[in-house]
Amino acid sequence: QKEVEQNSGPLSVPEGAIASLNCTYSDRGSQSFFWYRQYSGKSPELIMFIYSNGDKEDGRFTAQLNKASQYVSLLIRDSQPSDSATYLCAVSAWGGSQGNLIFGKGTKLSVKP
Amino acid sequence: GAGVSQSPSNKVTEKGKDVELRCDPISGHTALYWYRQRLGQGLEFLIYFQGNSAPDKSGLPSDRFSAERTGESVSTLTIQRTQQEDSAVYLCASSMDRGKLVHFGNGTRLTVT
Repeated sequence: QKEVEQNSGPLSVPEGAIASLNCTYSDRGSQSFFWYRQYSGKSPELIMFIYSNGDKEDGRFTAQLNKASQYVSLLIRDSQPSDSATYLCAVSAWGGSQGNLIFGKGTKLSVKP
Repeated sequence: GAGVSQSPSNKVTEKGKDVELRCDPISGHTALYWYRQRLGQGLEFLIYFQGNSAPDKSGLPSDRFSAERTGESVSTLTIQRTQQEDSAVYLCASSMDRGKLVHFGNGTRLTVT
């Protein structure tokens, strides 16, 4: 059973702080890693993706991948109240019939003004 | 349209009736996915299409659920003899190819009374 694990939270950080969201996965064959943001009552919105070990930065967001440890994280710098949402980690492996994304249950982030 | 389109946006049905949910993926996207999200829960994978074939339908919860895709475009998810536990938001997503960036539609909120 392929699994993606996230701390459900809530993770509460003050405005302007760095929010750190973590995710572990069980399938060593995983090759693509995604972070989605989901506001309450809305569909998931892709915010970051990473394929290679190391860091990938996009504005206030940094994704970090460590395949040896089967660990992927998302850092949000200068957190804003508008960042308050549930953050979903998703992992994909492909080859043969595989191709679907496996999602974690999400971490709820609350940024306090 | 520019994004993944799902219809209807809301569906209320009586227990025991059949329902059909529609998804129009982004033009040119060969991979199409259906997910289910129950209230307050994570995303549950249902089925994945590559073109018109479904190499992974492992997430369909029972034989009451079926899906098809035609013309490498529109997909329909059919739930027969609906039960109250089928109540959820059904999300469709598409990507250029398996493992690539996945974009979600706004979902169909299904309520079985």
